Amino acid sequence: LAKTTQPISMDSYEGQEVNITCSHNNIATNDYITWYQQFPSQGPRFIIQGYKTKVTNEVASLFIPADRKSSTLSLPRVSLSDTAVYYCLVGDRPRGFKTIFGAGTRLFVKA
Amino acid sequence: DAGVTQSPTHLIKTRGQQVTLRCSPKSGHDTVSWYQQALGQGPQFIFQYYEEEERQRGNFPDRFSGHQYPNYSSELNVNALLLGDSALYLCASSGRVTYEQYFGPGTRLTVT
Repeated sequence: LAKTTQPISMDSYEGQEVNITCSHNNIATNDYITWYQQFPSQGPRFIIQGYKTKVTNEVASLFIPADRKSSTLSLPRVSLSDTAVYYCLVGDRPRGFKTIFGAGTRLFVKA
Repeated sequence: DAGVTQSPTHLIKTRGQQVTLRCSPKSGHDTVSWYQQALGQGPQFIFQYYEEEERQRGNFPDRFSGHQYPNYSSELNVNALLLGDSALYLCASSGRVTYEQYFGPGTRLTVT
């Protein structure tokens, strides 16, 4: 299983763009990169997933360099409601595999 | 389309008791994974069920057991509860070919 490393915490202000980088040096060929968001006392919520290059959806962008040893989650113009823990996961399909969560990155957005 | 549902929402038990938590997966999903999340930590993988069998297991003792029914719903059973079992228990479902998991709201278990 590919281990991931993320910053423990980050602070930002409302309206700023936030970039959270995740390192996954031993990512396997079949592995995808998935980011989840979690609010206190709630289950994690899927944000975005990608394999290579750039993926964008209505809430975030995911940048993956050619060597795939890292990835960056970009949240445009954050608001107070984006204060949460963000987890980077690397792995194959969940079915048949143990999903390993790290400690995540605690993002605190200030007014 | 209902997402992943879990019951109960909250539960208080005494040390030594047994508890059963329930999960219904998202429509179209056949795989259910259970996680334990202690306060301030990331979710820890307990085990995974599909085709009504336990397929993967994390580093949890045999006191933790489960079951999956033909309709893909699942139960997590914990016997001989310890204070350290107090946590948020999360259920996640996924499909045969999907890469993302959908999580339920969790069951908050407090052991006194």
